[in-house]
Amino acid sequence: DAKTTQPTSMDCAEGRAANLPCNHSTISGNEYVYWYRQIHSQGPQYIIHGLKNNETNEMASLIITEDRKSSTLILPHATLRDTAVYYCIVRGYMDTGRRALTFGSGTRLQVQP
Amino acid sequence: DGGITQSPKYLFRKEGQNVTLSCEQNLNHDAMYWYRQDPGQGLRLIYYSQIVNDFQKGDIAEGYSVSREKKESFPLTVTSAQKNPTAFYLCASSYVRPTMNTEAFFGQGTRLTVV
Repeated sequence: DAKTTQPTSMDCAEGRAANLPCNHSTISGNEYVYWYRQIHSQGPQYIIHGLKNNETNEMASLIITEDRKSSTLILPHATLRDTAVYYCIVRGYMDTGRRALTFGSGTRLQVQP
Repeated sequence: DGGITQSPKYLFRKEGQNVTLSCEQNLNHDAMYWYRQDPGQGLRLIYYSQIVNDFQKGDIAEGYSVSREKKESFPLTVTSAQKNPTAFYLCASSYVRPTMNTEAFFGQGTRLTVV
C-alpha cells in the first residue's frame, strides 16, 4: 500500500468546515483513498473512500487532486462530536479482505467551542 | 441490527495467565482482523483471517494465537509469552470480494490490563 502523510494535529471552530489534508504521492492507479476516524477509546469508524472522482456522503466530502497525489477530507459543519483522530489510508481495491488496513498515526482533530 | 461485538470491554489479567478476547460479527463478512493499539499510537495488525479455518500472522503476532472455527467468530488469545500485553485490542471485519462494499467495520474494543 502507498504511504500517506498527514499533519499530526489540527484545530477547527465548531460550525466551521474542517479540511483534513493527506499526501499520497506514491499512489498507484488501482489504489483507493479511504478515510476512517477514531473517537477516543472507541473502534475506528469508516467515513468515505474514493478513487479519482470527488465523493460525498452524509458524513463528509472527499476531494482528490487530478494527479491523485493528495486528497482532502471535508467535514462541512464540524461539531464537538467530530473531535477524533482521522486516518487516511491508501489501498488497492482488489486487496479487500486479502490484506488488512495499515493505519498510520493520523491527524488529531480538535473541534473548539 | 448487524454489527461486530467485542467482549469484555475491560479485562484484567495476572501476569503469566492466558486470556481470550471475544469477537463476534453478524455482518456475513468473510474476513476478520485483530489489531492492537498502544496509547497515542496507531493500530498494529496482530492476525487476520480471510476464511474459516485459515488465518495469517500480522506484524506483531508473537505471543498471540487465534482460531476461526466459525465465520462469525474470531477469538484472540493473549498468552503468557506476550511480554507487554497491556493495550487496547480492536477486532474488525470486512467482505473479501471487492465487488461488495469494501469498508471494514470495527468493534468497540477490549482494554486489557495486566496486574
